[in-house]
Amino acid sequence: GENVEQHPSTLSVQEGDSAVIKCTYSDSASNYFPWYKQELGKRPQLIIDIRSNVGEKKDQRIAVTLNKTAKHFSLHITETQPEDSAVYFCAAKPPGFQKLVFGTGTRLLVSP
Amino acid sequence: DTAVSQTPKYLVTQMGNDKSIKCEQNLGHDTMYWYKQDSKKFLKIMFSYNNKELIINETVPNRFSPKSPDKAHLNLHINSLELGDSAVYFCASSYGTGNTGNTIYFGEGSWLTVV
Repeated sequence: GENVEQHPSTLSVQEGDSAVIKCTYSDSASNYFPWYKQELGKRPQLIIDIRSNVGEKKDQRIAVTLNKTAKHFSLHITETQPEDSAVYFCAAKPPGFQKLVFGTGTRLLVSP
Repeated sequence: DTAVSQTPKYLVTQMGNDKSIKCEQNLGHDTMYWYKQDSKKFLKIMFSYNNKELIINETVPNRFSPKSPDKAHLNLHINSLELGDSAVYFCASSYGTGNTGNTIYFGEGSWLTVV
């Protein structure tokens, strides 16, 4: 089955810096790659997603890139702010039934 | 107007007890899920239902039994609770079961502590 690896597990940056989180997946047929943000004690919430027919997608300060050949995708956050501090999860959807396989999460800490 | 709501939010219970968590969504979705998030924050799917039918049943002890009375509700019953069942259980929902990915919306979570 699909396996998703996520790095780093912890990332500390200064406010205004950029942050990059990387994920690799194992099933080359996976076709949907969302990113979720989970603040402390809250639910995971979708922040951006990308489908396998697109190489890059951007939404204001966040962007996601996908390299299907290498089977990896990345989340880029620019001009980080303290409110970006949270745990970020990548996920991949293998073909067939709706089922997201999540990465292990990255705890992002943005210091003022 | 909560989209995916689950109750109770907090549950503390003794080993060996039986407990249920209820979930309801008002988004009109036809697919619902239970995810488990352990102390290390790993999110793992347990079950998925589409229009009341079980479509995903991961390797979960049979002490866990989901039930979907209609497509807007998905409950989780846990028998003979064990210490290792302590976790946050998230209900979620989405459209469709097809090959294209659709956004999955999570409930607020139910914090289960077994003592």
